[in-house]
Amino acid sequence: GAVVSQHPSRVICKSGTSVKIECRSLDFQATTMFWYRQFPKQSLMLMATSNEGSKATYEQGVEKDKFLINHASLTLSTLTVTSAHPEDSSFYICSAPPSPASGGDEQFFGPGTRLTVL
Amino acid sequence: AQSVSQHNHHVILSEAASLELGCNYSYGGTVNLFWYVQYPGQHLQLLLKYFSGDPLVKGIKGFEAEFIKSKFSFNLRKPSVQWSDTAEYFCAVTIKAAGNKLTFGGGTRVLVKP
Repeated sequence: GAVVSQHPSRVICKSGTSVKIECRSLDFQATTMFWYRQFPKQSLMLMATSNEGSKATYEQGVEKDKFLINHASLTLSTLTVTSAHPEDSSFYICSAPPSPASGGDEQFFGPGTRLTVL
Repeated sequence: AQSVSQHNHHVILSEAASLELGCNYSYGGTVNLFWYVQYPGQHLQLLLKYFSGDPLVKGIKGFEAEFIKSKFSFNLRKPSVQWSDTAEYFCAVTIKAAGNKLTFGGGTRVLVKP
């Protein structure tokens, strides 16, 4: 199956700093990528839809100025957590469906990034 | 907005026992249905999916699921579990009219005792 990578896998930062998380589709193109957040022992909550060449679409309750998303190319989306606080500590997961031209109807998930804000 | 509910939060069973995990969704239109598994320390993997056709879907590792449209259900089953099936299982739905946005159920943590 298709492969989605995330970098870094773990990051620890101080409160008030910004952290950038990368999501890459390694062997297919993705015009859309999704960012999820997973709290311990809970399900995945969709944060936003990253769209190549246009603005991201955020779910209700997600601060777009805090969680900046940039879909720089057909294989890369980045999530920047700005001015991070301890309550932003979580597991962030991205997913990507291959673009329709690639025959995609299924999403492939990255391994996740564990963010700890001290 | 659509929602997905999984009936059991935790399931504990012994090896060779049968497993059934319930999943119901709330949306009256056309949906795609998925079951994902997350093994300890690993990323989400697709077990099986239903888009159309035969409502009984067979997936990897001996899992199957049955789509019952009248009940808005997509229950996951495995006749005989193994210790290696210990994982968290997520049911998820996409609405065709809304693109590929997945809505996940709350997850069911399954522990298989050797």
